[in-house]
Amino acid sequence: VVLTQSPLSLPVTLGQPASISCACSHSLLHSDGNTYLSWFQQRPGQSPRRLIYMVSNRDPGVPDRFSGSGSDTDFTLKISRVEAEDVGLYYCMQGTQRLTFGGGTKVEIK
Amino acid sequence: VQLVESGGDWVLAGGSVRLSCAASGLPVRANDMSWVRQAPGKGLECVAIIYSDGGTDYADSVKGRFIISRHISQNTVYLQMNSLTIEDTANYSCVVGRTGGYWGQGVQVAVSS
Repeated sequence: VVLTQSPLSLPVTLGQPASISCACSHSLLHSDGNTYLSWFQQRPGQSPRRLIYMVSNRDPGVPDRFSGSGSDTDFTLKISRVEAEDVGLYYCMQGTQRLTFGGGTKVEIK
Repeated sequence: VQLVESGGDWVLAGGSVRLSCAASGLPVRANDMSWVRQAPGKGLECVAIIYSDGGTDYADSVKGRFIISRHISQNTVYLQMNSLTIEDTANYSCVVGRTGGYWGQGVQVAVSS
């Protein structure tokens, strides 16, 4: 399964919304009924931190300005109001067939 | 939950390395366990997974060279890496599950010619 993220780079003004897309080459609906699409944030020198799992479930401690949506082959991560601490790389990941990752989106402040 | 990787090393091309991931707080036998690598300045790649039923799968880039296994009583997952090339240089992390809920801190594998 190939995951294509867009955009590659996302300059955002503080307080403005941001949106990252993840397009998948195959449906991510597993035979068990779940859709294994997660979103991660990675800051320099750190391991990836999961933000969202199974499309839209936010991890504990993740600010509610982060939200995930989508189904089948098209998914989106939205940040309602970007804050300075949101700068970093964002990856989508599917776990329906092995694990594969999108190429990453770099979020930076304008 | 804690995942502690070990075994990272510097090795010559063509050599071998064995990575270990000691898990605590969850049973490896009941979880899908993966090895994910990140080369310097690059993205993330899952190189191998061992499913809870014992089945395995590999990325094409390592198929035939890497072997993932587990020791249930020691609650540890291994990655045997053979015929290493410079392109295998990366940080290798142990990851739990189909949603990537837990990651180890990672170990460095450096391959030189």
